[in-house]
Amino acid sequence: GQNIDQPTEMTATEGAIVQINCTYQTSGFNGLFWYQQHAGEAPTFLSYNVLDGLEEKGRFSSFLSRSKGYSYLLLKELQMKDSASYLCAVRGNWAGNNRKLIWGLGTSLAVNP
Amino acid sequence: EAQVTQNPRYLITVTGKKLTVTCSQNMNHEYMSWYRQDPGLGLRQIYYSMNVEVTDKGDVPEGYKVSRKEKRNFPLILESPSPNQTSLYFCASRKSGLAPLGTDTQYFGPGTRLTVL
Repeated sequence: GQNIDQPTEMTATEGAIVQINCTYQTSGFNGLFWYQQHAGEAPTFLSYNVLDGLEEKGRFSSFLSRSKGYSYLLLKELQMKDSASYLCAVRGNWAGNNRKLIWGLGTSLAVNP
Repeated sequence: EAQVTQNPRYLITVTGKKLTVTCSQNMNHEYMSWYRQDPGLGLRQIYYSMNVEVTDKGDVPEGYKVSRKEKRNFPLILESPSPNQTSLYFCASRKSGLAPLGTDTQYFGPGTRLTVL
């Protein structure tokens, strides 16, 4: 089957660095996405990895290792507004006509002062 | 501004009363889909559409219908809602379901919180 695993909850302190891990087992791989979702709001795109390595985007970075089926999202200089759920999603193979995203359940990050 | 809009944002209804949640995008995206999000179950795709007049079932289509008569609109129809359809619903769009490379970022609407009594 297809599966994406993320920790359910994490806690960190304002100003610190936190790493949110994601492991996946999917039939095919065509890119991994990270989305941020504040409570009751829509997910918003953070990052995309399709090749191995680190993609940096301001305070956020995302890493991918396809051979290990592993990714992480690194958040630096944490701010209170970073308290949110972080969703990992993998674009797998075609399933019929659908290149759908397979979603993890999300990691709820609480940033404390 | 590029966006996906949904209406209504909140809806409380009763079992069996037909309802429609509208979704519209202004990015000329070909691919649109509907998700429901429930605690502990994450985002699950209900239906998707590759283009106008092309729709197909996602992972949890039972009890839902969709239509895609125009590129920008993708309404979700609940013919006879039941309490197990109480959920947070998101419409999403992206450029193309056929795009093999690139980010092909998916954009989400603001969500519709539906309660069926």
